Amino acid sequence: GESVGLHLPTLSVQEGDNSIINCAYSNSASDYFIWYKQESGKGPQFIIDIRSNMDKRQGQRVTVLLNKTVKHLSLQIAATQPGDSAVYFCAESVSGNTPLVFGKGTRLSVIA
Amino acid sequence: GAVVSQHPSWVICKSGTSVKIECRSLDFQATTMFWYRQFPKQSLMLMATSNEGSKATYEQGVEKDKFLINHASLTLSTLTVTSAHPEDSSFYICSAGGREPSSYNEQFFGPGTRLTVL
Repeated sequence: GESVGLHLPTLSVQEGDNSIINCAYSNSASDYFIWYKQESGKGPQFIIDIRSNMDKRQGQRVTVLLNKTVKHLSLQIAATQPGDSAVYFCAESVSGNTPLVFGKGTRLSVIA
Repeated sequence: GAVVSQHPSWVICKSGTSVKIECRSLDFQATTMFWYRQFPKQSLMLMATSNEGSKATYEQGVEKDKFLINHASLTLSTLTVTSAHPEDSSFYICSAGGREPSSYNEQFFGPGTRLTVL
């Protein structure tokens, strides 16, 4: 299930299940979006990106969906594994000409 | 490719001292480097953007005299926290970008530096 902590929402899933992490972005002018994975004590790691001319993009075990109408981004992880446990951040930018703005992040906990 | 390193990975210092953090792009030349600060259980907040050979651009609310940034080469940027105080304790992360000219999109992140000020 999903819970909202003091600062960081947490999503707990069973190993092998699919995970869906959501992000609401703020700037309607944003046209480039990235998902990052951050493990404890490490820097963010690029997962997948999508431009606003697309509404879906797939990678290895991950899919990003973009709904510009409601300014919503989601990251789907198939067959979630213990190694997927981390904090996931979405980030947005406008045409690559503005600094990335990071969302608040969601902690994914995989239950073995 | 696109490896970014930071040194040190962690540092503990006394209040009032200055601390320098290095960010290096190991296998590419970075026109632009970014410095972020991350407090526990929070997101990354951009502090400043630095372009090689020019002055850094600081985000609103970030004191440029306290957080000195030098981007002297295409592979090295440094952040110096001057007269550090306990409230400066945080996780400092750099990223390197600029393989695509003038673009903020392609950023490669370093592993971060944990600063603890006693």
